[in-house]
Amino acid sequence: DGGITQSPKYLFRKEGQNVTLSCEQNLNHDAMYWYRQDPGQGLRLIYYSQIVNDFQKGDIAEGYSVSREKKESFPLTVTSAQKNPTAFYLCASNPRGGEPQHFGDGTRLSIL
Amino acid sequence: AQSVTQPDIHITVSEGASLELRCNYSYGATPYLFWYVQSPGQGLQLLLKYFSGDTLVQGIKGFEAEFKRSQSSFNLRKPSVHWSDAAEYFCAGANNNNAGNMLTFGGGTRLMVKP
Repeated sequence: DGGITQSPKYLFRKEGQNVTLSCEQNLNHDAMYWYRQDPGQGLRLIYYSQIVNDFQKGDIAEGYSVSREKKESFPLTVTSAQKNPTAFYLCASNPRGGEPQHFGDGTRLSIL
Repeated sequence: AQSVTQPDIHITVSEGASLELRCNYSYGATPYLFWYVQSPGQGLQLLLKYFSGDTLVQGIKGFEAEFKRSQSSFNLRKPSVHWSDAAEYFCAGANNNNAGNMLTFGGGTRLMVKP
């Protein structure tokens, strides 16, 4: 079945550590997105990419980095500069200029 | 600036009762509009979408939504709620020049269903 796979489902970060969240899709979608979700809040866009080797900052990009070396993959690194990283992170994708976004099942990141 | 607002943070309904979740939008032009549902610890699942045309949109799981331009609203409805509908519901909008991209989400409405 086609879909979006996020891993791991749970992740713990120590102070001063960078961690990377994985997002893989086999839907052949051009565009991919990373969102952050905090309790009681909607989703906020961190980064997005509409084509391989290109990406743009969203509303809350500070403390995060991404890469898009392959169409299928859009990993998100939460750096030590992100002082409040505890949240639920969602990856999404869609074909450019057309259909709604499809979402993965998320990664919950916590601080040790 | 564009925005999507869901006025109700929590709603509780009895099983079998009807449901309406409110969504208001603020965009320069009529946006593309979506409703998603999220179960605890899961991703978002698309319920329905509105791009243009018929203002009453049918979705999955028996849900429908009505686009009302005069009220800048896109409310989600279901005639008879089932216990499995308990979840969080998100309304989202996108500029109509890049459908599905760059979504703006409302804050969500958590639905609880009483037996």
